[in-house]
Amino acid sequence: IQLTQSPSSLSASVGDRVTITCRASQGISSYLAWYQQKPGKAPKLLIYAASTLQSGVPSRFSGSGSGTDFTLTISSLQPEDFATYYCQHLNSYPPWTFGQGTKVEIK
Amino acid sequence: EVQLVQSGAEVKKPGESLKISCKGSEYSFTSYWIGWVRQMPGKGLEWMGIIYPGDSDTRYSPSFQGQVTISADKSISTAYLQWSSLKASDTAIYYCARRSGNAGDYWGQGTLVTVSS
Repeated sequence: IQLTQSPSSLSASVGDRVTITCRASQGISSYLAWYQQKPGKAPKLLIYAASTLQSGVPSRFSGSGSGTDFTLTISSLQPEDFATYYCQHLNSYPPWTFGQGTKVEIK
Repeated sequence: EVQLVQSGAEVKKPGESLKISCKGSEYSFTSYWIGWVRQMPGKGLEWMGIIYPGDSDTRYSPSFQGQVTISADKSISTAYLQWSSLKASDTAIYYCARRSGNAGDYWGQGTLVTVSS
């Protein structure tokens, strides 16, 4: 199963609403997670099961979708949100591949 | 608090062997899958494989099958990733991550492996 994220990068301002999409090459139900990675740091889980917010993650992050099309939305971009975001599918059988990443930069 | 602590950075020559580790604490190590993820310099995340320490059931990505070996010693709550003959293209940061439900919820800090002659 291949995951394709779009866009590969985006420039946005603090306060903007940002949407990142992840498309799977075949249906994966809701077996999708989203991660945030900052330079020099390990990835951090934001959302699992496509739309469930991980404990401690701010509510401005939300996820939606099922089947093949998924989105990660940041409702009001904050300075600490500038990072690279990855989706990952965890469908029945491995490999549980990642998308190629979306880099969110400051405009 | 759940922690995964990885071994330190390594500098190796091509052809050498290497085993890096990931020690889990503050949870039942045998009850959760531990996966390994590669990140080459300036690149994205690549899923390599995963092990269930409870019974050592191991799965590999086809891209990494035969290139690395994943193992675990449940007596010391530690998972391992090893190479028998490193290549320059193995230069990367390697992360371990615990799979809980359908996500990697806790991650190690990463181990930088540099392979250079």
